[in-house]
Amino acid sequence: AQKVTQAQTEISVVEKEDVTLDCVYETRDTTYYLFWYKQPPSGELVFLIRRNSFDEQNEISGRYSWNFQKSTSSFNFTITASQVVDSAVYFCALSGASTGANSKLTFGKGITLSVRP
Amino acid sequence: ETGVTQTPRHLVMGMTNKKSLKCEQHLGHNAMYWYKQSAKKPLELMFVYNFKEQTENNSVPSRFSPECPNSSHLFLHLHTLQPEDSALYLCASSQGQALSGNTIYFGEGSWLTVV
Repeated sequence: AQKVTQAQTEISVVEKEDVTLDCVYETRDTTYYLFWYKQPPSGELVFLIRRNSFDEQNEISGRYSWNFQKSTSSFNFTITASQVVDSAVYFCALSGASTGANSKLTFGKGITLSVRP
Repeated sequence: ETGVTQTPRHLVMGMTNKKSLKCEQHLGHNAMYWYKQSAKKPLELMFVYNFKEQTENNSVPSRFSPECPNSSHLFLHLHTLQPEDSALYLCASSQGQALSGNTIYFGEGSWLTVV
């Protein structure tokens, strides 16, 4: 079975601080995909990124960056110079590539990020 | 604007009522999903449809009845619900084979309260 652990439950920072959201995963699949979603108070889950298990290159998109390390089974997400609009619940998720139980998208419990002005 | 639209956004219903949640995706995807998100619980996959055919029913009680008339529309019919069914119900869609690592795009959700 696959598992996603987001050990941090709530993080509070002051605007302009950098913040890193941790994600650790477990899977026996050799091919798998990792995701991050953002859920603002309105409820919609907004897709942020998808990485496959063969691509360990770090990715940067504006103020967002992701650090994928297979050696530690981690896929951490950093927000640089945080803003109030970044306040949301952030979910890390994992999916196997094949059909079957592991093809389901397994979510972590989410991290509530509060950015104070 | 989201590519997956859900209505209504908020619904309050009694335990004897019958209501439906509607979802429409404008992304040209062929797979659609219903997820349930309760307070303090991880997201739960309820149903999966691939090209209008149901491919997954995650042991959901029969008081929840999905319907997928075509690849763009998905309904969740609700009847004789319980207060513990109060939750955020999220519709989603993806391209290609359902699940299997494909990116799933979510709607804004329907907040359901059962009284």
